[in-house]
Amino acid sequence: QKEVEQNSGPLSVPEGAIASLNCTYSDRGSQSFFWYRQYSGKSPELIMSIYSNGDKEDGRFTAQLNKASQYVSLLIRDSQPSDSATYLCAESYNTDKLIFGTGTRLQVFP
Amino acid sequence: EAGVAQSPRYKIIEKRQSVAFWCNPISGHATLYWYQQILGQGPKLLIQFQNNGVVDDSQLPKDRFSAERLKGVDSTLKIQPAKLEDSAVYLCASSPGLAGVGEQFFGPGTRLTVL
Repeated sequence: QKEVEQNSGPLSVPEGAIASLNCTYSDRGSQSFFWYRQYSGKSPELIMSIYSNGDKEDGRFTAQLNKASQYVSLLIRDSQPSDSATYLCAESYNTDKLIFGTGTRLQVFP
Repeated sequence: EAGVAQSPRYKIIEKRQSVAFWCNPISGHATLYWYQQILGQGPKLLIQFQNNGVVDDSQLPKDRFSAERLKGVDSTLKIQPAKLEDSAVYLCASSPGLAGVGEQFFGPGTRLTVL
């Protein structure tokens, strides 16, 4: 049974701080990992994908993957109140199926 | 480019009634997914179509849920009869279906309340 584990939060950070969101997965064979953002009452939208060990940066977002530890993280620099949302970690197997974690709720307060 | 369309947006029914949801994926997307998202949880895959064929329906409760994707475009998901535990948001997503592409585009969802 493939599983993706996330702390449900909420994670509260002040505006301008770095928010660190973490995720672990059970299947060593998983190749691809994704972070989706879901605002309350809205549908998920992809914000980052990562396929190889190390860091991948895109604007204020950095995804980190450590396959040996089966660990994925998302860093959000200079957090803004508009970043307040639930962040879903997902792993992909067979290239086109996603297994989602339960999501971590992030609250950025002014 | 138009996104994934779903209807209705909201539905309230009594238990044991039936309900159907409709999804129109992004034009040209070969792969279509139906997810169930219960409050406080991540989306759970119910069924995956590649064109008009079923790729994976291992988590679809087939005694009450059915889905079809005629002509490889639109799709409908039906629940009959509904149970209280079916209360959830039903999300439709599509992707180009190319190997190695993991991005899925989600529709706005249908929020189902079963009383």
